[in-house]
Amino acid sequence: DTGVSQNPRHKITKRGQNVTFRCDPISEHNRLYWYRQTLGQGPEFLTYFQNEAQLEKSRLLSDRFSAERPKGSFSTLEIQRTEQGDSAMYLCASSLADGPMPQHFGDGTRLSIL
Amino acid sequence: DAKTTQPNSMESNEEEPVHLPCNHSTISGTDYIHWYRQLPSQGPEYVIHGLTSNVNNRMASLAIAEDRKSSTLILHRATLRDAAVYYCILIGNDMRFGAGTRLTVKP
Repeated sequence: DTGVSQNPRHKITKRGQNVTFRCDPISEHNRLYWYRQTLGQGPEFLTYFQNEAQLEKSRLLSDRFSAERPKGSFSTLEIQRTEQGDSAMYLCASSLADGPMPQHFGDGTRLSIL
Repeated sequence: DAKTTQPNSMESNEEEPVHLPCNHSTISGTDYIHWYRQLPSQGPEYVIHGLTSNVNNRMASLAIAEDRKSSTLILHRATLRDAAVYYCILIGNDMRFGAGTRLTVKP
């Protein structure tokens, strides 16, 4: 199966530490999206890339959040100086760029801040 | 920002049809209506999408109101595996998921 892959599946860290998550999209998809999901809520859009270009980043939650997709393939989402409120599921999705194509989601990385 | 409104929860009996409503009164002309569903501990799964006309696929049907201010996802015969949270979202200049509808399917 060549679906969207996210690593790690779970991350536990202490407050103040930096964390990085990785997303490997479906290989022929040139759009990649990051979302955050808290308990009982729908996914909250954070940012997206078309190939290596980050086309929307105004919805990143603070300047502690950053994302990269250097070669237009996999992407990383980094959170610096983590806070308790960062505990959530971080979801990645990918799609083809033409039109409003369906997004294919990974199963997420669950972040727990101690 | 275009937003969607869905009931918090719905129940259905197994093998009966289910109609999941979504209101999107501020939809813009270029927004597509997408539906996703999510099982526990999994990412959302695409179900169906449309712009103006009703749509059918192997999973479901999507009925879109003539004024596009509402839509309905139709599961023709609910199974236990259809129990999930269903999200209606508008894809255009923005992508905002609401809290979705939690569908319970009773055997």
